[in-house]
Amino acid sequence: AQSVTQLGSHVSVSEGALVLLRCNYSSSVPPYLFWYVQYPNQGLQLLLKYTSAATLVKGINGFEAEFKKSETSFHLTKPSAHMSDAAEYFCAVSASGTYKYIFGTGTRLKVLA
Amino acid sequence: DTAVSQTPKYLVTQMGNDKSIKCEQNLGHDTMYWYKQDSKKFLKIMFSYNNKELIINETVPNRFSPKSPDKAHLNLHINSLELGDSAVYFCASSQDFRREETQYFGPGTRLLVL
Repeated sequence: AQSVTQLGSHVSVSEGALVLLRCNYSSSVPPYLFWYVQYPNQGLQLLLKYTSAATLVKGINGFEAEFKKSETSFHLTKPSAHMSDAAEYFCAVSASGTYKYIFGTGTRLKVLA
Repeated sequence: DTAVSQTPKYLVTQMGNDKSIKCEQNLGHDTMYWYKQDSKKFLKIMFSYNNKELIINETVPNRFSPKSPDKAHLNLHINSLELGDSAVYFCASSQDFRREETQYFGPGTRLLVL
């Protein structure tokens, strides 16, 4: 069975500081991994995805994530937080043979002025 | 031009009522989904259709019935609404159902059952 664990349901950073949101996965087959962002009262928007090409994936809005097989991790980072980054972030793994995403429980990012 | 649209955006209703939520995508995608997001923001797949055929049917009460009249539309009908059905329901679509495909989400329908 595949699963995703997001450590830290709430993360606060100062504006201009590094953003690090953690995601660990469990998968019996090579995973496809996704990060989505949800702004208040909106739907989810893709930030980036890993589909077994480069292990360092660059996304929109200055975010990137690195796939580390040895650590079963796919952490999301951004060098300098902006107030507009405040949102809920979801990591997801695409399940083998079942055509569906399995989402983590989400991390709410708060950016302090 | 909205890619994935849902109507209504808000739905407040009484227990026991029947209601429908409509979803339309103009991306030319073959696959559509319904998700439920609970009050703790947990997202779970409910159904998926590919070219009007049901391909995912999670453990959902049979009061929930999806219908796909064509591949651009996926509606969700809910009978005999219960308090626990209160949630945000998201529609999504993807080019096809391959694992690596990006899913595009609608803005959500906020359902409150009183």
